[in-house]
Amino acid sequence: QAVLTQPSSLSASPGASASLTCTLRSGINVGTYRIYWYQQKPGSPPQYLLRYKSDSDKQQGSGVPSRFSGSKDASANAGILLISGLQSEDEADYYCMIWHSSASGVVFGGGTKLTVL
Amino acid sequence: EVQLVESGGVVVQPGGSLRLSCAASGFTFDDYTMHWVRQAPGKGLEWVSLISWDGGSTYYADSVKGRFTISRDNSKNSLYLQMNSLRTEDTALYYCAKQGKIGEFSYWGQGTLVTVSS
Repeated sequence: QAVLTQPSSLSASPGASASLTCTLRSGINVGTYRIYWYQQKPGSPPQYLLRYKSDSDKQQGSGVPSRFSGSKDASANAGILLISGLQSEDEADYYCMIWHSSASGVVFGGGTKLTVL
Repeated sequence: EVQLVESGGVVVQPGGSLRLSCAASGFTFDDYTMHWVRQAPGKGLEWVSLISWDGGSTYYADSVKGRFTISRDNSKNSLYLQMNSLRTEDTALYYCAKQGKIGEFSYWGQGTLVTVSS
């Protein structure tokens, strides 16, 4: 089972909100991790969006609109990237990431392709 | 302006070797941990390796451990990845990335493409 699991795709309408999940493997408690989120558009490298551990431990990337925010669902053992007021330019792949000791480094989720239509 | 420019990607046969380079500018290179991250065609991101600011600590993904070696030359503001015993599954776009102060990958290069094929 992968350390981080993301749905492969998600569709939402312009102006709506999209909730992208990043589920941690059973036995890895989401509450103890800072989750990092990246956006990648076709032909470009990823760009850092934000980091979220809790409402008192979070950080927005430089220049990242406040429409992008992080949260957690402890009951689902998942981190969440919430994008409100969706725009066509938000159409991209989104990756979550954690620092994980058993991996001796960094783990990425498989990514979610967000379609805005 | 931070710039990371990767080079060295080519087509190589399975079992071959290759060294990737990443030239950094626009920041104090020897203050930061650096990483290599790869992305196979049409696939997601896979972390490969990291090296601490002074080169004293290195870590690798299990998939490359024992085959790849990360290094840096702070006098040249450069990061390297020596890749040996290459496999077809190593085919990917290889990015170098600068780690920020809170553990994020704050800047990425445009990547260099490595193709392992006979």
